Amino acid sequence: AQSVSQHNHHVILSEAASLELGCNYSYGGTVNLFWYVQYPGQHLQLLLKYFSGDPLVKGIKGFEAEFIKSKFSFNLRKPSVQWSDTAEYFCAVYDRDDKIIFGKGTRLHILP
Amino acid sequence: GAGVSQTPSNKVTEKGKYVELRCDPISGHTALYWYRQSLGQGPEFLIYFQGTGAADDSGLPNDRFFAVRPEGSVSTLKIQRTERGDSAVYLCASSLIAGAYNEQFFGPGTRLTVL
Repeated sequence: AQSVSQHNHHVILSEAASLELGCNYSYGGTVNLFWYVQYPGQHLQLLLKYFSGDPLVKGIKGFEAEFIKSKFSFNLRKPSVQWSDTAEYFCAVYDRDDKIIFGKGTRLHILP
Repeated sequence: GAGVSQTPSNKVTEKGKYVELRCDPISGHTALYWYRQSLGQGPEFLIYFQGTGAADDSGLPNDRFFAVRPEGSVSTLKIQRTERGDSAVYLCASSLIAGAYNEQFFGPGTRLTVL
């Protein structure tokens, strides 16, 4: 089965700083990749997804992620973060058995 | 329409007791998933239903855990003889049908605390 590694457990940035959160999955072949976000007090929600095609995927709220097959990576980026981006971010991969495998998450804290 | 709802939002119980956690999926969604999220971890798959049948229950940790979805809508996760290690947030999600191309929508979760 697939597994997902997120490199940073807790990230603190100032507003307007650039963001990159690392994510690696365990093995190749056809993969479906996701980033989910959980804002304080809210439900887990989909931020963006990659299935095929352009490896640079754009999501909501200015987030994007790049699928690099040779590195088994799917890093999340945002050029300029806002205080409202404070949340927990989960990288995930769709396993062949119709279930989603999540990473442990990265808590992002943006200083105003 | 309404999103996925879960009840109760919080449940505190004593070790050894039986608990039931309920999930109401989005109307019309045939696939329903249960996940468990322990402190400092990401959601961990438990079981999913396509319609009334459990399509994959490989994530259930042991036979104390059981889930049903008798009419293909509401689902109940049942935990017998609860242990302190069962304390976690239990998340439910639903999608139109199972499959990677169908977004899973998550509920707010039930926080279970076993004393």
